[in-house]
Amino acid sequence: DQQVKQNSPSLSVQEGRISILNCDYTNSMFDYFLWYKKYPAEGPTFLISISSIKDKNEDGRFTVFLNKSAKHLSLHIVPSQPGDSAVYFCAANVAGTYKYIFGTGTRLKVLA
Amino acid sequence: DVKVTQSSRYLVKRTGEKVFLECVQDMDHENMFWYRQDPGLGLRLIYFSYDVKMKEKGDIPEGYSVSREKKERFSLILESASTNQTSMYLCASNLGQVGNEQFFGPGTRLTVL
Repeated sequence: DQQVKQNSPSLSVQEGRISILNCDYTNSMFDYFLWYKKYPAEGPTFLISISSIKDKNEDGRFTVFLNKSAKHLSLHIVPSQPGDSAVYFCAANVAGTYKYIFGTGTRLKVLA
Repeated sequence: DVKVTQSSRYLVKRTGEKVFLECVQDMDHENMFWYRQDPGLGLRLIYFSYDVKMKEKGDIPEGYSVSREKKERFSLILESASTNQTSMYLCASNLGQVGNEQFFGPGTRLTVL
């Protein structure tokens, strides 16, 4: 039972355009959502997070949107750069615990 | 900068061997985690620890055990390695507050023959 889903395994975007990565969840007991980026042969690195009481959080080129009624979050990268090419994971923190559930990842390729 | 290190980048073991994967963090984090990453399955939590000598099972603890004798060190143990434990193993740590970002090590690619 995949509680956090990333339904697009891959995405290709032209340099300079917007990249939109999506994540859906089924559990209403998540209180924080996080996005990580992973390059090959490296561990994931944290990008941006959002609390379940907010609907938007922005940090430079990265913006995360949360739609609680739809149980959907998205990561927008504007403008996309070739260095953004990586696998992106969304993760959800189970409320009141230290436990995180990760999605299956989306491989983003930014074309120069 | 937070640093999480893992004892090996690549490891090859035989079926039935006992395998130890070590993880050390240098930022005095309360929480430490072990995940495995497999294609199409993302990161799955094996075990985590929120304090020395404290541990909780994650989603896939079968075939694994853990040890946390010191705050900075969290070990994953495969008592009798099997081929279906061939995977990328990732260690992470974070502060003891809910919702905090995790800091990951570089991973250990374990192959069990």
